[in-house]
Amino acid sequence: EAQVTQNPRYLITVTGKKLTVTCSQNMNHEYMSWYRQDPGLGLRQIYYSMNVEVTDKGDVPEGYKVSRKEKRNFPLILESPSPNQTSLYFCASGASSYNSPLHFGNGTRLTVT
Amino acid sequence: AQKITQTQPGMFVQEKEAVTLDCTYDTSDQSYGLFWYKQPSSGEMIFLIYQGSYDEQNATEGRYSLNFQKARKSANLVISASQLGDSAMYFCAMNSDYKLSFGAGTTVTVRA
Repeated sequence: EAQVTQNPRYLITVTGKKLTVTCSQNMNHEYMSWYRQDPGLGLRQIYYSMNVEVTDKGDVPEGYKVSRKEKRNFPLILESPSPNQTSLYFCASGASSYNSPLHFGNGTRLTVT
Repeated sequence: AQKITQTQPGMFVQEKEAVTLDCTYDTSDQSYGLFWYKQPSSGEMIFLIYQGSYDEQNATEGRYSLNFQKARKSANLVISASQLGDSAMYFCAMNSDYKLSFGAGTTVTVRA
């Protein structure tokens, strides 16, 4: 089954404790991206990747890191989480074309206390 | 810079009636794609419909249709014959230059 898999689904952590949210896709997509969703703001792009070893900042990259060492994986790293990073996070993947829809993971709800 | 505007934070619709969700966008690119996604209360993002900037006909997918007016830069979603299961948040999005930008969303509540 074609899918984007994010883990974990829920995560509660404390300020400053490094964490990684994993994302994996099995559709051989070149394009992958991370979004955060906050009430009233829709989804905002954090980082995206056009291919292996190619990453770029989205609209809200501060406080986040990503890597793309393999085509299928695109982890999101929070080196020192803060409460303002409490949010719902989505990983997505798609073909590298403006007319291709993105396939989303089920989301990770992160709470930083 | 790209911008997607959804001016309706929430809407109520009677079951079996049609509802139109507004979306306007702003871009200087000639090639772009417009998408609508549905997010039910369970949280997942479900792709509904796509319209390309060069498409002359409005896209349709079952009960969903996209009213595309390029000169007005609008891409409204029409849901016909609403069902209780249509209650959800709906997002308009634009893909331009490999960047997918989203509007703030519209919550639709279908009443029996």
